[in-house]
Amino acid sequence: GAVVSQHPSRVICKSGTSVKIECRSLDFQATTMFWYRQFPKQSLMLMATSNEGSKATYEQGVEKDKFLINHASLTLSTLTVTSAHPEDSSFYICSARDRLGNTEAFFGQGTRLTVV
Amino acid sequence: SQQGEEDPQALSIQEGENATMNCSYKTSINNLQWYRQNSGRGLVHLILIRSNEREKHSGRLRVTLDTSKKSSSLLITASRAADTASYFCVGDNDMRFGAGTRLTVKP
Repeated sequence: GAVVSQHPSRVICKSGTSVKIECRSLDFQATTMFWYRQFPKQSLMLMATSNEGSKATYEQGVEKDKFLINHASLTLSTLTVTSAHPEDSSFYICSARDRLGNTEAFFGQGTRLTVV
Repeated sequence: SQQGEEDPQALSIQEGENATMNCSYKTSINNLQWYRQNSGRGLVHLILIRSNEREKHSGRLRVTLDTSKKSSSLLITASRAADTASYFCVGDNDMRFGAGTRLTVKP
Protein backbone atom coordinates (compact mmCIF):
# COMPACT_ATOMS: atom_id res chain seq x y z
CA GLY A 1 0.00 0.00 0.00
CA ALA A 2 0.85 3.65 -0.18
CA VAL A 3 3.20 5.14 2.38
CA VAL A 4 2.84 8.25 4.45
CA SER A 5 5.95 9.35 6.27
CA GLN A 6 5.66 11.53 9.33
CA HIS A 7 8.62 13.26 10.92
CA PRO A 8 9.80 13.53 13.60
CA SER A 9 8.49 10.50 15.42
CA ARG A 10 9.31 12.01 18.77
CA VAL A 11 10.16 15.53 19.86
CA ILE A 12 10.73 17.28 23.15
CA CYS A 13 10.62 21.04 23.22
CA LYS A 14 10.65 23.82 25.73
CA SER A 15 7.51 25.69 26.63
CA GLY A 16 7.05 28.74 24.42
CA THR A 17 8.87 27.37 21.40
CA SER A 18 7.35 26.20 18.14
CA VAL A 19 7.51 22.72 16.69
CA LYS A 20 6.97 21.69 13.09
CA ILE A 21 5.73 18.23 12.14
CA GLU A 22 5.98 17.04 8.55
CA CYS A 23 3.74 14.62 6.76
CA ARG A 24 4.78 13.33 3.34
CA SER A 25 3.05 11.04 0.91
CA LEU A 26 5.85 9.02 -0.64
CA ASP A 27 4.26 7.35 -3.63
CA PHE A 28 1.03 9.15 -4.34
CA GLN A 29 -0.33 12.65 -4.60
CA ALA A 30 -2.18 13.60 -1.47
CA THR A 31 -4.90 16.02 -2.45
CA THR A 32 -6.29 15.89 1.06
CA MET A 33 -4.53 15.54 4.37
CA PHE A 34 -5.94 15.21 7.85
CA TRP A 35 -4.33 16.07 11.15
CA TYR A 36 -5.29 14.42 14.41
CA ARG A 37 -4.21 14.56 18.01
CA GLN A 38 -4.61 11.78 20.49
CA PHE A 39 -4.32 11.93 24.25
CA PRO A 40 -3.47 8.79 26.25
CA LYS A 41 -6.22 6.20 26.31
CA GLN A 42 -8.40 8.35 24.05
CA SER A 43 -9.40 8.19 20.43
CA LEU A 44 -8.07 10.30 17.61
CA MET A 45 -9.52 13.76 17.45
CA LEU A 46 -9.64 15.41 14.05
CA MET A 47 -7.98 18.82 14.21
CA ALA A 48 -8.15 19.97 10.63
CA THR A 49 -8.52 18.94 7.02
CA SER A 50 -6.30 20.46 4.40
CA ASN A 51 -6.57 20.38 0.63
CA GLU A 52 -3.53 21.12 -1.47
CA GLY A 53 -3.22 24.76 -2.30
CA SER A 54 -6.01 25.99 -0.07
CA LYS A 55 -6.43 26.94 3.56
CA ALA A 56 -7.06 24.23 6.08
CA THR A 57 -10.49 23.71 7.55
CA TYR A 58 -10.25 23.52 11.31
CA GLU A 59 -12.55 21.63 13.61
CA GLN A 60 -14.51 23.54 16.18
CA GLY A 61 -12.41 24.38 19.19
CA VAL A 62 -9.07 24.03 17.43
CA GLU A 63 -7.12 27.29 17.34
CA LYS A 64 -5.92 27.91 13.82
CA ASP A 65 -3.36 30.47 14.97
CA LYS A 66 -1.84 27.97 17.34
CA PHE A 67 -1.85 24.98 15.04
CA LEU A 68 -0.63 26.23 11.69
CA ILE A 69 -1.20 23.87 8.81
CA ASN A 70 0.43 24.26 5.44
CA HIS A 71 -0.33 22.01 2.49
CA ALA A 72 1.70 23.69 -0.19
CA SER A 73 2.39 20.66 -2.36
CA LEU A 74 0.71 17.41 -3.27
CA THR A 75 3.19 15.43 -1.22
CA LEU A 76 3.80 17.53 1.86
CA SER A 77 1.74 18.98 4.66
CA THR A 78 3.12 20.50 7.83
CA LEU A 79 1.64 21.16 11.23
CA THR A 80 3.35 23.79 13.35
CA VAL A 81 2.48 23.97 17.01
CA THR A 82 3.25 27.57 17.91
CA SER A 83 4.19 28.73 21.39
CA ALA A 84 3.83 25.22 22.70
CA HIS A 85 2.72 24.61 26.26
CA PRO A 86 2.72 21.45 28.34
CA GLU A 87 -0.97 20.90 27.63
CA ASP A 88 -0.08 20.60 23.94
CA SER A 89 1.86 17.44 24.74
CA SER A 90 0.12 14.74 22.77
CA PHE A 91 0.39 12.23 19.94
CA TYR A 92 -0.14 13.92 16.58
CA ILE A 93 -1.00 11.82 13.52
CA CYS A 94 -1.47 12.79 9.92
CA SER A 95 -3.40 11.00 7.23
CA ALA A 96 -3.40 11.45 3.48
CA ARG A 97 -5.73 10.53 0.68
CA ASP A 98 -5.43 11.08 -3.04
CA ARG A 99 -9.06 11.66 -3.77
CA LEU A 100 -12.50 11.29 -2.35
CA GLY A 101 -14.19 8.06 -3.32
CA ASN A 102 -12.93 4.55 -3.47
CA THR A 103 -9.57 5.09 -1.92
CA GLU A 104 -8.37 4.57 1.59
CA ALA A 105 -6.66 7.11 3.77
CA PHE A 106 -3.11 6.28 4.76
CA PHE A 107 -1.73 7.23 8.14
CA GLY A 108 1.67 8.37 9.23
CA GLN A 109 3.46 6.78 12.15
CA GLY A 110 2.60 9.66 14.47
CA THR A 111 4.65 12.21 16.38
CA ARG A 112 4.94 12.12 20.15
CA LEU A 113 5.26 15.73 21.29
CA THR A 114 6.37 16.48 24.82
CA VAL A 115 6.50 20.09 25.95
CA VAL A 116 8.55 20.69 29.06
CA SER B 1 -18.73 15.47 16.75
CA GLN B 2 -17.75 11.89 16.16
CA GLN B 3 -18.61 10.06 12.99
CA GLY B 4 -17.86 6.44 13.72
CA GLU B 5 -19.07 4.90 16.95
CA GLU B 6 -17.75 1.49 17.83
CA ASP B 7 -19.39 -1.06 20.05
CA PRO B 8 -18.42 -2.55 22.42
CA GLN B 9 -15.84 -0.14 23.76
CA ALA B 10 -13.91 -2.99 25.30
CA LEU B 11 -13.80 -6.68 24.49
CA SER B 12 -11.75 -9.39 26.17
CA ILE B 13 -11.55 -12.89 24.73
CA GLN B 14 -9.35 -15.97 24.82
CA GLU B 15 -6.94 -16.78 22.05
CA GLY B 16 -8.64 -18.82 19.35
CA GLU B 17 -12.04 -17.27 19.88
CA ASN B 18 -13.71 -14.96 17.41
CA ALA B 19 -14.07 -11.25 18.07
CA THR B 20 -16.92 -9.19 16.68
CA MET B 21 -17.12 -5.44 16.91
CA ASN B 22 -19.64 -3.08 15.46
CA CYS B 23 -19.57 0.44 14.19
CA SER B 24 -22.21 2.99 13.32
CA TYR B 25 -21.71 6.12 11.30
CA LYS B 26 -23.74 9.22 10.68
CA THR B 27 -23.20 10.64 7.22
CA SER B 28 -23.35 8.94 3.85
CA ILE B 29 -20.22 7.18 2.66
CA ASN B 30 -18.51 6.07 -0.51
CA ASN B 31 -16.47 3.64 1.51
CA LEU B 32 -15.81 2.66 5.11
CA GLN B 33 -12.45 1.73 6.48
CA TRP B 34 -11.37 -0.23 9.50
CA TYR B 35 -8.09 0.47 11.23
CA ARG B 36 -6.11 -1.04 14.06
CA GLN B 37 -3.93 0.86 16.47
CA ASN B 38 -1.51 -0.66 18.89
CA SER B 39 -0.96 1.38 22.01
CA GLY B 40 0.83 4.65 21.26
CA ARG B 41 1.49 3.75 17.66
CA GLY B 42 0.22 4.77 14.24
CA LEU B 43 -2.82 3.32 12.56
CA VAL B 44 -2.72 0.23 10.40
CA HIS B 45 -5.26 -0.03 7.63
CA LEU B 46 -7.15 -3.32 7.79
CA ILE B 47 -9.82 -3.29 5.16
CA LEU B 48 -11.90 -0.98 3.00
CA ILE B 49 -15.46 -1.79 2.04
CA ARG B 50 -17.28 0.20 -0.59
CA SER B 51 -20.82 1.42 -0.20
CA ASN B 52 -22.06 -0.99 -2.87
CA GLU B 53 -20.52 -3.98 -1.10
CA ARG B 54 -22.19 -5.90 1.67
CA GLU B 55 -19.39 -8.15 2.79
CA LYS B 56 -15.68 -8.39 2.34
CA HIS B 57 -13.02 -10.83 3.51
CA SER B 58 -9.32 -10.44 4.06
CA GLY B 59 -7.51 -13.30 5.73
CA ARG B 60 -9.03 -13.72 9.19
CA LEU B 61 -11.05 -10.53 8.82
CA ARG B 62 -14.63 -10.32 7.69
CA VAL B 63 -16.37 -6.98 7.33
CA THR B 64 -20.03 -6.39 6.65
CA LEU B 65 -21.73 -3.17 5.72
CA ASP B 66 -25.39 -2.20 5.99
CA THR B 67 -25.84 1.23 4.46
CA SER B 68 -29.54 1.30 5.32
CA LYS B 69 -28.63 1.10 8.99
CA LYS B 70 -25.39 3.02 8.60
CA SER B 71 -23.56 0.26 10.37
CA SER B 72 -20.66 -2.10 9.85
CA SER B 73 -19.18 -5.03 11.69
CA LEU B 74 -15.68 -6.44 11.87
CA LEU B 75 -15.17 -10.09 12.67
CA ILE B 76 -11.73 -11.41 13.55
CA THR B 77 -11.67 -15.19 13.49
CA ALA B 78 -9.29 -17.43 15.41
CA SER B 79 -7.93 -14.50 17.35
CA ARG B 80 -4.33 -14.28 18.46
CA ALA B 81 -2.64 -12.40 21.27
CA ALA B 82 -1.10 -10.17 18.61
CA ASP B 83 -4.59 -8.97 17.67
CA THR B 84 -4.72 -7.07 20.95
CA ALA B 85 -5.22 -3.46 19.90
CA SER B 86 -7.83 -0.74 19.45
CA TYR B 87 -10.03 -0.95 16.38
CA PHE B 88 -11.71 1.95 14.63
CA CYS B 89 -14.00 2.48 11.70
CA VAL B 90 -14.20 5.68 9.69
CA GLY B 91 -16.22 6.72 6.68
CA ASP B 92 -14.51 8.55 3.85
CA ASN B 93 -16.90 11.50 3.80
CA ASP B 94 -16.19 12.37 7.40
CA MET B 95 -12.84 11.33 8.76
CA ARG B 96 -13.73 11.66 12.42
CA PHE B 97 -13.12 8.70 14.68
CA GLY B 98 -15.25 7.20 17.39
CA ALA B 99 -13.97 5.88 20.67
CA GLY B 100 -12.95 2.58 19.14
CA THR B 101 -13.12 -0.93 20.48
CA ARG B 102 -10.30 -2.00 22.74
CA LEU B 103 -9.72 -5.70 22.06
CA THR B 104 -7.70 -7.82 24.46
CA VAL B 105 -6.87 -11.35 23.42
CA LYS B 106 -5.59 -13.44 26.30
CA PRO B 107 -3.08 -16.19 25.48
